[in-house]
Amino acid sequence: GAGVSQSPSNKVTEKGKDVELRCDPISGHTALYWYRQRLGQGLEFLIYFQGNSAPDKSGLPSDRFSAERTGESVSTLTIQRTQQEDSAVYLCASSPLPWDEQYFGPGTRLTVT
Amino acid sequence: QQQVKQSPQSLIVQKGGIPIINCAYENTAFDYFPWYQQFPGKGPALLIAIRPDVSEKKEGRFTISFNKSAKQFSLHIMDSQPGDSATYFCAAQGGSEKLVFGKGTKLTVNP
Repeated sequence: GAGVSQSPSNKVTEKGKDVELRCDPISGHTALYWYRQRLGQGLEFLIYFQGNSAPDKSGLPSDRFSAERTGESVSTLTIQRTQQEDSAVYLCASSPLPWDEQYFGPGTRLTVT
Repeated sequence: QQQVKQSPQSLIVQKGGIPIINCAYENTAFDYFPWYQQFPGKGPALLIAIRPDVSEKKEGRFTISFNKSAKQFSLHIMDSQPGDSATYFCAAQGGSEKLVFGKGTKLTVNP
């Protein structure tokens, strides 16, 4: 079956612009996660959804970052007023149940110029 | 206390060699230790995982060794192949808490 998909695969934006990143989880997966991966770094947890609620959003680095999820389907991560330090690969993962094995998407590479 | 320290940062071996990647943690509440493999342009994929009730787990050419008293665990790749060249991440999780990842090890297996 289809895996986790993310769009766009690459995004180049100017500093100060807003961006929206999209994640389509595996059908039937109730849990969805967003991570940030900076060059040469591990995965940094951003937020976790159970259904359309976010029990843990402790990893969002600032109030410029927000995310929402529609039911047990697509999620969008929005970064407002982008800064150069936001440049990274943003990874989405989903799992059948919370904190089960996570299946990752290919990521969105964001470059802020 | 939430950190997972991974070493080395990069590793180069010859085909057939046995690369070993090490991770250490502090939080004794961690009870699940997965390893992820990531190829360029792809998301990480679960490779193998262990819980602290066993000291070793083997799946094919991949083995996790776990030392609970030392709070360390390691990944061994037997008979490594060029196709194993990837970045490997260890991670740790306690109960229903989030996964904490190491910084990754870039493995290169030369033909």
